[in-house]
Amino acid sequence: GENVEQHPSTLSVQEGDSAVIKCTYSDSASNYFPWYKQELGKGSQLIIDIRSNVGEKKDQRIAVTLNKTAKHFSLHITETQPEDSAVYFCAGATFGNEKLTFGTGTRLTIIP
Amino acid sequence: KAGVTQTPRYLIKTRGQQVTLSCSPISGHRSVSWYQQTPGQGLQFLFEYFSETQRNKGNFPGRFSGRQFSNSRSEMNVSTLELGDSALYLCASSSGQAYNSPLHFGNGTRLTVT
Repeated sequence: GENVEQHPSTLSVQEGDSAVIKCTYSDSASNYFPWYKQELGKGSQLIIDIRSNVGEKKDQRIAVTLNKTAKHFSLHITETQPEDSAVYFCAGATFGNEKLTFGTGTRLTIIP
Repeated sequence: KAGVTQTPRYLIKTRGQQVTLSCSPISGHRSVSWYQQTPGQGLQFLFEYFSETQRNKGNFPGRFSGRQFSNSRSEMNVSTLELGDSALYLCASSSGQAYNSPLHFGNGTRLTVT
């Protein structure tokens, strides 16, 4: 089955700088890659997702890039703000498998 | 629109007992999926229900079971609790299939087994 590895497990970034979180996946047939943000007491929410027919997707300060050859995808947050502090989870899914496999999470801390 | 509601928020149980967790999805969402979150393993898929039928299942023992009612509300049951079952249990609802649609998560039920 699919295996998704996420790095780093913790990341501290100065406010205003950029943050990058990387995930690798094992199943070359994977075709859907969402990112979720988990805040204490607020549950988790989808912040951006990308499908395998696209190499990059952007939404304001957040972007995701996908490299199908290397089987990795990355979350980029620019101009970080204190409210970006949270745990971020990447995930991958394969149409045939019909299961979403999550990474182990990255705790991002924005230093004011 | 109300979000996904999970009850209870916290549970403390003893080894060998059983527990039932409840999840009310966003109105109109017919898919409910369940996940176990632990510090070392991240989120692991338990199962997904759609229109009262289990559509998919993760790699968990048979002690973990679930069901979905006609109003899309879902329950998850864990029997013969083990210490390793201590975790945050999250449920999520979606308008489409859980594996390729945006998931809307509840705040979770934190289960502690002593």
